[in-house]
Amino acid sequence: GENVEQHPSTLSVQEGDSAVIKCTYSDSASNYFPWYKQELGKGPQLIIDIRSNVGEKKDQRIAVTLNKTAKHFSLHITETQPEDSAVYFCAASMIQGAQKLVFGQGTRLTINP
Amino acid sequence: DGGITQSPKYLFRKEGQNVTLSCEQNLNHDAMYWYRQDPGQGLRLIYYSQIVNDFQKGDIAEGYSVSREKKESFPLTVTSAQKNPTAFYLCASSIQGLKNGYTFGSGTRLTVV
Repeated sequence: GENVEQHPSTLSVQEGDSAVIKCTYSDSASNYFPWYKQELGKGPQLIIDIRSNVGEKKDQRIAVTLNKTAKHFSLHITETQPEDSAVYFCAASMIQGAQKLVFGQGTRLTINP
Repeated sequence: DGGITQSPKYLFRKEGQNVTLSCEQNLNHDAMYWYRQDPGQGLRLIYYSQIVNDFQKGDIAEGYSVSREKKESFPLTVTSAQKNPTAFYLCASSIQGLKNGYTFGSGTRLTVV
């Protein structure tokens, strides 16, 4: 089955700097890669996703890149703000069939003012 | 507003007791999922259901049971057979094709006392 590895487990950056979180996946059949943000005591919220027919997607300060050959994808947050502090999870799935998301272990991002 | 509601927010279970976690959605989503989250770990799939009256085991189904009698509802029972039930439980739903990914509830924190 699918296995998703996420790095780093913790990340601390200065406000205004960029943050990058990386994930690798094992199943070449996976074709859907979302990123979730989870604040303390709450459920995860989708912040951006990408499908395997594109290599990059941007939404304001957030971007995701996908390298299907290497089977890895990354989340980029630019001009970080204190409200970006949270735990971020990557995941992988197939759009067809059971559509079960397999999650990475999470990255705790701290933005220092 | 459409959404997914989990209740209760906090739940305490005595040794040997079964407890049921509620998950209700009014998004008209076909698929529903239960995940378990332990500190510092990613989300692990317990059970999922793609259609009413049908559900499948996930990666860690032992000691849990579910039902899907209505499209809107997907309750999870944590049985006494689950030896380490203390965790944060998350319910999610999605439409076919994973447009907009999963929508998560706000979670139930279960503690064994």
